[in-house]
Amino acid sequence: GAGVSQSPSNKVTEKGKDVELRCDPISGHTALYWYRQSLGQGLEFLIYFQGNSAPDKSGLPSDRFSAERTGGSVSTLTIQRTQQEDSAVYLCASSSGLAGGKSNEQFFGPGTRLTVL
Amino acid sequence: AQSVAQPEDQVNVAEGNPLTVKCTYSVSGNPYLFWYVQYPNRGLQFLLKYITGDNLVKGSYGFEAEFNKSQTSFHLKKPSALVSDSALYFCAVRDGGATNKLIFGTGTLLAVQP
Repeated sequence: GAGVSQSPSNKVTEKGKDVELRCDPISGHTALYWYRQSLGQGLEFLIYFQGNSAPDKSGLPSDRFSAERTGGSVSTLTIQRTQQEDSAVYLCASSSGLAGGKSNEQFFGPGTRLTVL
Repeated sequence: AQSVAQPEDQVNVAEGNPLTVKCTYSVSGNPYLFWYVQYPNRGLQFLLKYITGDNLVKGSYGFEAEFNKSQTSFHLKKPSALVSDSALYFCAVRDGGATNKLIFGTGTLLAVQP
């Protein structure tokens, strides 16, 4: 079966522009996560979706960042008015988020490398 | 708060020799620990996890990890390193909250010399 897919694989944009990053999780996985991997910051959690519950947005670094998940499947991470410090690799992961899903591993996509000029 | 530490930025080992990549953790409650590997320009791949049970956990590609509660460690090991094992390795712990998000270490670059 297909794994987690992300698009685009690379995105170069100019400072101040908006960008949208897409994630297709593994079919049937109810939990979806966005992480950011950047030099000096390591891997940091951004946002979490579980089924139809309200998302956990506690990791979003500013109000320029938002995400949605339509129909409980595909997710889009939007960064408005991009800044150079937003340059990073954005990773999406999904897992079988059943009750007691603490033990379930997350499966990661290949990431989107965002470069803000 | 849950956290993990990877004290080595880089580990160098000769092909055929045993390798160890270190990880220590700090958690409240029972730890759920994971190892992931990242090859260049690729996403993270799951290697293994410790939830409960045997302290020695076996995973993908011949890797194993030993959970040591007294030393709060979860070191990744392999008896015989391959050049193809060269990659970035991340230790992670499950957050204790409702999200089950992963808290990652800073990563250790493993370089296996032929």
